[in-house]
Amino acid sequence: KQEVTQIPAALSVPEGENLVLNCSFTDSAIYNLQWFRQDPGKGLTSLLLIQSSQREQTSGRLNASLDKSSGRSTLYIAASQPGDSATYLCAVNHSSYKLIFGSGTRLLVRP
Amino acid sequence: GAGVSQSPRYKVAKRGQDVALRCDPISGHVSLFWYQQALGQGPEFLTYFQNEAQLDKSGLPSDRFFAERPEGSVSTLKIQRTQQEDSAVYLCASSRRDFYGYTFGSGTRLTVV
Repeated sequence: KQEVTQIPAALSVPEGENLVLNCSFTDSAIYNLQWFRQDPGKGLTSLLLIQSSQREQTSGRLNASLDKSSGRSTLYIAASQPGDSATYLCAVNHSSYKLIFGSGTRLLVRP
Repeated sequence: GAGVSQSPRYKVAKRGQDVALRCDPISGHVSLFWYQQALGQGPEFLTYFQNEAQLDKSGLPSDRFFAERPEGSVSTLKIQRTQQEDSAVYLCASSRRDFYGYTFGSGTRLTVV
């Protein structure tokens, strides 16, 4: 059974710091991995999608990597800003359509 | 439409009441999904439609939960005889097709009192 774990559960950093969020999964047979952002009381906003054949994806200050063989992905946020404060969720696509989510990392960027 | 639209945004139901949650996917998106998100947890899969066909309903918690997408567009998630444990945010997502990224709606927050 595929399980997704995110570490840390919560993170507080001062503005301007670079930071790394971690995601691990138990079954390397995945189709893709997606990182989402969730603001309080809101839905999920897709940040980056990495197909199983890819190693990384970049969008602005965000960079996500995927190491399928070791069951790991990282989300790197450069030069963090208070507006980055949110919960970040990692999800693996294990069956071509079903996403399995981690519990998320709650990020607070202090001004 | 530009995004996935869900209604209502908030629903308070008395225990035992039936509720219906609506999802309007992005036009032309073949795949539609329902997820349930408990407080402080990641979303959990409920069911999956490809056009009007419900291909997977393995995540529905009980036979009180029922989902439909009769014309391959709008979908409704119905919960009969609501219980307190049904309190959660119900998220709908759509995708052009399998293997592609998903677009989520803002969700419906259901509170059963």
